[in-house]
Formats: sequence, structure tokens, C-alpha cells
Amino acid sequence: DVVMTQSPLSLPVTLGQPASISCRSSQSLVHSDGNTYLHWFQQRPGQSPRRLIYRVSNRDSGVPDRFSGSGSGTDFTLKISRVEAEDVGVYYCIQGTHWPYTFGQGTKLDIK
Amino acid sequence: EVQLVESGETLVQPGGSLRLSCAASGFTFSNYWMSWVRRAPGKGLEWVANIKPDGSEKYYVDSVKGRFTISRDNAKNSLYLQMNSLRAEDTAVYYCARGMSLAVWGKGTTVTVSS
Repeated sequence: DVVMTQSPLSLPVTLGQPASISCRSSQSLVHSDGNTYLHWFQQRPGQSPRRLIYRVSNRDSGVPDRFSGSGSGTDFTLKISRVEAEDVGVYYCIQGTHWPYTFGQGTKLDIK
Repeated sequence: EVQLVESGETLVQPGGSLRLSCAASGFTFSNYWMSWVRRAPGKGLEWVANIKPDGSEKYYVDSVKGRFTISRDNAKNSLYLQMNSLRAEDTAVYYCARGMSLAVWGKGTTVTVSS
């Protein structure tokens, strides 16, 4: 199975400051169809997960533009340009290129 | 409005069985892959199973193979997860989600396996 490794696992951030989460895969996530199926999710306390970014860098409808995704191959990053209070929660990357799909361990973001 | 609603919370004994349901509305259910994902207490998300739009292909995480069965009824816009030989480590909130990239999620249903 593809192992997804996120870092850091805990991310205390000052309001208004940027934040960055890394996600590395144990093998390339480039599918035979040429797409890279790496997605990012946010789970706020007490809520269901919500997809933020799909296929590396495509922001979902309604997701603030302070969220951005980048990367290729085995190395990916989720960036928040200016953290707001509503961004508190756990962030996960997931790969959908290889069966079985696998999630990263999750990164808990909170406010300093 | 696109919506996924899982069945209610349940407590079951180890070794027991349970069938989860997920009712879909607001989209053409029969066009989409569907998934079950779970989150155990104090742990992260774990993808459990996937099923193709016509039900002809199904995929499972190793830890549930041979015990869980994913199925769907496109006429009823419903997704199911038959869970047999349940273990304490299956205790989790179970979510159904739409599509291969999990674009839409339900609110989840809690399954507790305990004697």
C-alpha cells in the first residue's frame, strides 16, 4: 500500500500568519491516465470532512482562495496564506491513484 | 441540494453484524462511484470500501476484506455496508462519500462494538 506521510502533525499558528502542511507519498501518484489523484480535506471539530483541494491544486467551490495546493510526483503541499479562526481542525491528504486509497495521518491546526 | 444521510447510531457486540445505509439525494446517484470512510476514536481517517456506479467492481481495505460487503441499490438511491464478525477496532464514525475523490460527505453514523 502507498504510505502517505504528513508533516507536521501538530501546527500551532498565530491568526493572520501563513501555514504550510507537507504530504509525501511512498511512490509516485501520477496515474497511467496522466492525472495525479492527490486531494486535501479539512475536518473541523464535530463536523464531517470537507474536500478543499482535488488533483493537487484545484480548489473546490466555496473554499476561500487563501487555501492553495501544489506539488508533483511524491511531494505535495497545502498552504494557507493567512490563518483565520475558522481554519482550526485536522487536515488530511489522500491519494486516489493506487488501490487501496490511503490517507495521511492528519495535521492538527490550532491557534496559538 | 446534494445530500448523503447515513443510518442511525448503533451499539453491537463483538462478533456481531450490522448493516449501514446511506440515502443519497440531489444528484444522479447511479452515475457515481461511492465510498465508505471511517474515523476511529483518537485516530485519523481510513478509507474502507468503494463501489463502481453499476456495482460491478468493489474494493476494500485489507482490514475488512472477507468481513464487510459494500453494495448499492440505484433504484433506491442507496448505498450499504454489511459488516460481519465485528471487532472492537471497528468502532468508529462511518461516513459515506460521493465519487472517487470524495467530493461530498454525509454527517456520519457512529458504530460502537463493545460487550
